[in-house]
Order: sequence, then structure tokens, then C-alpha cells
Amino acid sequence: TQLLEQSPQFLSIQEGENLTVYCNSSSVFSSLQWYRQEPGEGPVLLVTVVTGGEVKKLKRLTFQFGDARKDSSLHITAAQPGDTGLYLCAVIQGAQKLVFGQGTRLTINP
Amino acid sequence: DTEVTQTPKHLVMGMTNKKSLKCEQHMGHRAMYWYKQKAKKPPELMFVYSYEKLSINESVPSRFSPECPNSSLLNLHLHALQPEDSALYLCASSQVQGAAGQPQHFGDGTRLSIL
Repeated sequence: TQLLEQSPQFLSIQEGENLTVYCNSSSVFSSLQWYRQEPGEGPVLLVTVVTGGEVKKLKRLTFQFGDARKDSSLHITAAQPGDTGLYLCAVIQGAQKLVFGQGTRLTINP
Repeated sequence: DTEVTQTPKHLVMGMTNKKSLKCEQHMGHRAMYWYKQKAKKPPELMFVYSYEKLSINESVPSRFSPECPNSSLLNLHLHALQPEDSALYLCASSQVQGAAGQPQHFGDGTRLSIL
């Protein structure tokens, strides 16, 4: 059983459309991170959410942490080809190590 | 440009070779990590060093041998690897190990192919 379940696993949409990806768990976390990994590169941190119900915006990306701190979502408005990549949610497990969800592979078609 | 530098970017080796992957950071971070990433999968933790001491070994086979010569450098020595070890090997660092909410900074990885 995965600690973090991400959905969808794959998403291919046209430029200009909106999309939401999800990261769910049955566990409660003190914080949750979202990373984006582009082909040929390592993951890069996008945001850290720490408070239940928190909403953070990063340009066209909106991140939300669930009220119970068990889940999170990432919404992209007016997607662009540059948003293409692997989106990974991650949490610290056992106060020791970072554990990733399976990822959402996003493709934005021009 | 990433602040964590990994060399080489690509490595092809035979199953009997010995090679090493190198990672360097100059951010003053005291925790460094090795991850393995297979195609279409998330990174999976292999090793963690905290203050230059091995903190976590995720039951990695002994053909992978990590080394942390100082607080800025992390090596991964490879010997007698198997074809299934072909993957992207990522190095990361953070200020300290395991602090919630703290970012990990990743290098761009070494793509390893075992013939």
C-alpha cells in the first residue's frame, strides 16, 4: 500500500485548459511538498504546505492542503507546454526520510 | 542551474566494472541522500548521510557502497552491478535530515546503463 496515492497517473491536455491533480493518504502529515521533475533533470521543489486548509499560489499553479492534512491538490490554470513534467507529492516519513507519491505525468500539447 | 552537482551525467558499464558516482554541494547542508529512479517511477531512497555519518540504508545490495568524505561530497561506489540496476541515480541535500517542511535540493542525476 502506497503512503501517498496520486491521481491521475497520466494526463495529456491541450494548451490553455485547466487541470487538477490529487495526492491522497489515510495518514495525517505535518507538512506536504510538491515537486516537479522535467526530463533529464532532478525534481525541483514547487511548494511546501503546512497548515490544514492552506492555499498557496505560484503564478498559474494553486496548491491546497486538506483541512485534515491528509490530502493535497494542485490546480493549473491555462496550462502551457512549459508545465509538462512529472509532478510528485512528498512527505517526511518517521521524521527521517522523504517519501514520494507515484507521480502524475503531465503533457501539455501545443 | 542546480546547486547540487553530479558527475558523470551518463555512465555505461559492464557487470564486472567498478565505477563511482560523485555528488557535490556547497550550500552548507549537513544531510545528503542517494536515490534511485527507474523509468516512469518516483525516486526511491537508497542512503542518507547526516553529519557525514550513514544514517539510513534502505536495504540496498552491497554492490552499492556509499561514502561521504566530507560535508560537501557524497560518492556512490559501484561494483558487479546487474542489468536491473540501470536507472537514474539522484543525489540530494538538505540542511538537516528529516525536518518536516524542509526542501531537498536535487542534482540532475547520473543515468546509468549496465550492459
